[in-house]
Amino acid sequence: SQTIHQWPATLVQPVGSPLSLECTVEGTSNPNLYWYRQAAGRGLQLLFYSVGIGQISSEVPQNLSASRPQDRQFILSSKKLLLSDSGFYLCAWSAVVPGKLFFGSGTQLSVL
Amino acid sequence: EDKVVQSPLSLVVHEGDTVTLNCSYEVTNFRSLLWYKQEKKAPTFLFMLTSSGIEKKSGRLSSILDKKELFSILNITATQTGDSAVYLCAGDTQGGSEKLVFGKGTKLTVNP
Repeated sequence: SQTIHQWPATLVQPVGSPLSLECTVEGTSNPNLYWYRQAAGRGLQLLFYSVGIGQISSEVPQNLSASRPQDRQFILSSKKLLLSDSGFYLCAWSAVVPGKLFFGSGTQLSVL
Repeated sequence: EDKVVQSPLSLVVHEGDTVTLNCSYEVTNFRSLLWYKQEKKAPTFLFMLTSSGIEKKSGRLSSILDKKELFSILNITATQTGDSAVYLCAGDTQGGSEKLVFGKGTKLTVNP
C-alpha cells in the first residue's frame, strides 16, 4: 500500500534562517506531488506541484522553493525565512484519479 | 478567480444530531467536487462528486452535488464525538494540472 512520510512534525526557526522540509512517498511510482500551506483561518493554499523529477510548478510568488530530486521525494526549502512563512505545511500526492489527494501528517512551522 | 466558500465556518452540536455542511463553488472548467475530513493533521478523503443529483454515501455520511446551482452538501446523521473535525470542500479544475481550490473549512464539534 502507498504511504507518505513528512518530517519534521514541528519546527521553530528564527527569522532569516534556512528551511528544508522533506516528503517521501512509498508504494507508488511517478506520483504527482504537492506542497500546501494552511494558515490559521484560511484554506489550503497550493504552493508547488510536480508531475515528475525536476519538474516544479509554482502557484504563488514567495521566498520558498521546491525540488524533486527523486521520483518519490519532494523538498520544500527557503534560504531565509520570513515571519509570514509560519503555518502548517502539508505534502500530498495523487495518482491516476484527478484531484484525489493523499496527505502527509504535516509540519507546523513557527518563525520567530 | 476560482473560489470555494463553505458555511457555516463552525458548528457545535450534540451527539445524535444531524448536520448539514454547505459548499458553494465558482471554479473554471469544473471537473469534480471533493470533501475531506481533517481531524488533527492530515486531511483524509471522503467523497468525490462529478455528477449532479447522485448521492454518495458512506455509513452515516452522505454528499450530493448540484452543478446547476454550483453547490454541494455534506450530511452527517446520528453524529458521534469522533465526527469532530474540520471538513474541507475543494473544487477540482480541468486544464492540464492536478490542483484543487479549497474552502476554509467547517469546524464541527460534537459534544457528548
